[in-house]
Amino acid sequence: QVQLVQSGAEVKKPGASVKVSCKASGYTFTTNAIHWVRQAPGQRLEWMGWINAANDNTKYSQKFQGRITITRDTSASTAFMELSSLRSEDTAIYYCARDSVAYYYGSGSFFDYWGQGTLVTVSS
Amino acid sequence: DIQMTQSPSTLSASVGDRVTITCRASQSISRWLAWYQQKPGKAPNLLIYKASSLESGVPSRFSGSGSGTEFTLTISSLQPDDFATYYCQQYSSYATFGQGTKVEIK
Repeated sequence: QVQLVQSGAEVKKPGASVKVSCKASGYTFTTNAIHWVRQAPGQRLEWMGWINAANDNTKYSQKFQGRITITRDTSASTAFMELSSLRSEDTAIYYCARDSVAYYYGSGSFFDYWGQGTLVTVSS
Repeated sequence: DIQMTQSPSTLSASVGDRVTITCRASQSISRWLAWYQQKPGKAPNLLIYKASSLESGVPSRFSGSGSGTEFTLTISSLQPDDFATYYCQQYSSYATFGQGTKVEIK
């Protein structure tokens, strides 16, 4: 069965960076894009960006451009999301999610499997 | 960016009730709309895509309709497991979510 398993909770100081991992299993990692979505306390879900797991192409939300880097390691079936210059407003649960359509790398996606979420707390 | 607005924000209902949640897009998104259910401490779970297509394994009491800018999610007979928060998401242009509708016990 498809599973996305994320790394554990992180506590970071303002200005630092955080890197969250997402290990995929139960399907061929390179057939579906992996997206990152976050949810701040009491806020709506917010799409951050995606990576084409086959060729490493990425697309980021303009809101995070310049601060976010999404990478992948195909040998480990794992995607990574790094967010830099952290501020208190970045305190949130960060989810990875699988694009529902194989071999689709267009400009609109929905998500059929999600990781369990990683809480990132930014506090001095 | 396409904005998504759900109503109501909170809905109080009883087991067996028919429940309807509305989602409006700031511009036409054709039928590129998905619905998710989220329970506390859990990731969202896909219910419906392309406005009305039921995801595999989702009970048939869930249904979706609409096109353009107005969409609805209906639960035909609310079950105890359905008390949760529901989100719509447009995927006409990348992805944006509604603010959520919490379905609570009346």
